[in-house]
Amino acid sequence: GENVEQHPSTLSVQEGDSAVIKCTYSDSASNYFPWYKQELGKRPQLIIDIRSNVGEKKDQRIAVTLNKTAKHFSLHITETQPEDSAVYFCAASSASTGNQFYFGTGTSLTVIP
Amino acid sequence: EAEVAQSPRYKITEKSQAVAFWCDPISGHATLYWYRQILGQGPELLVQFQDESVVDDSQLPKDRFSAERLKGVDSTLKIQPAELGDSAMYLCASSLGLNTEAFFGQGTRLTVV
Repeated sequence: GENVEQHPSTLSVQEGDSAVIKCTYSDSASNYFPWYKQELGKRPQLIIDIRSNVGEKKDQRIAVTLNKTAKHFSLHITETQPEDSAVYFCAASSASTGNQFYFGTGTSLTVIP
Repeated sequence: EAEVAQSPRYKITEKSQAVAFWCDPISGHATLYWYRQILGQGPELLVQFQDESVVDDSQLPKDRFSAERLKGVDSTLKIQPAELGDSAMYLCASSLGLNTEAFFGQGTRLTVV
């Protein structure tokens, strides 16, 4: 099955700085990579996703890059704000293995005002 | 906005007792997932349904866990007997189709004492 690794496990940045979270995956058939944000006590919510036919996707302050050859993808948050503080999970999925989502272990991001 | 509904939100049960969780996915979503999330970790798939059929239950501890989605709409996850190690957040999610966004419910936080 798929193995998704996520780094770092914790990340602290000053407000206004950028934050980068990296994930690697093992199954070359994986072709859909969502990122979820989970605030304390709340449900995970999708913030951005990317498919394997695209190398980069951006939505305002959030961007995701994908390197299929190296099997890694990254989340970039620019101009961080205190409300960005949460746990972020990457995931990988493949239609060839039943569309299961395999999640990383999470990154706890703290934005210091 | 349509949401995945789960109940109960919180459940405290004694070990060796039976416990059941309910999930109502977003209308029209054929794929339904049950995940278990231990504090500080990413969600781990327990079972995946496509309509009323189980697609993957390889990670479901079948000696004590069971799941059903009889009419291909709502679903029930049961644990009998509950063990101390079952304490976790149980998340239900649904998606429209293959490799599309999974929407999560609020989860059921289970505490086994």
